Amino acid sequence: DAGVIQSPRHEVTEMGQEVTLRCKPISGHDYLFWYRQTMMRGLELLIYFNNNVPIDDSGMPEDRFSAKMPNASFSTLKIQPSEPRDSAVYFCASSILDLGNSPLHFGNGTRLTVT
Amino acid sequence: AQKITQTQPGMFVQEKEAVTLDCTYDTSDPSYGLFWYKQPSSGEMIFLIYQGSYDQQNATEGRYSLNFQKARKSANLVISASQLGDSAMYFCAMREGGDMRFGAGTRLTVKP
Repeated sequence: DAGVIQSPRHEVTEMGQEVTLRCKPISGHDYLFWYRQTMMRGLELLIYFNNNVPIDDSGMPEDRFSAKMPNASFSTLKIQPSEPRDSAVYFCASSILDLGNSPLHFGNGTRLTVT
Repeated sequence: AQKITQTQPGMFVQEKEAVTLDCTYDTSDPSYGLFWYKQPSSGEMIFLIYQGSYDQQNATEGRYSLNFQKARKSANLVISASQLGDSAMYFCAMREGGDMRFGAGTRLTVKP
């Protein structure tokens, strides 16, 4: 059973460029999450979806960030324009149901470096 | 709002000894789940153990156990018989409704 798949694994870009991170959740999972991990701020929840609908995007830093889930098997996180402070590891995770007892299954993350 | 607190930035333990990693949480919802994840230096997030707010018994998974004290709102992770491969970051998390929030983490180092 394939886990959560993220691409690319590494992304290096220049300030001002658009960056798109991709995620394929585990088949059958109803929830999809985007997290950002930095040394200073730890693991921050950016946004999560339920059945492809965004439920809570209060963690999205600013309007430069946007996330979409056009179908149950694909999600994107876009940063436009990117800034050096966006450098971080971005994780996508998915889970089943919403009973409070379902663990999140994480992808391997995308390490983003903005120069 | 949910809040997860891990007060130990770093911990050391001797190989084969037991170690307890602390976690406290704050919520007003009676229904929630508590989770522990391990993040080795390679970066992946590995789910270790789960405890539900209505569970009467402490959760156990192999060498991992969760010391759940509901009245104190604590959910400490106990690792027995530590191994060198246990050296990693450990995160406590709480799921209340749809989302999951994480603590700042504890870096555990196992000494040979």
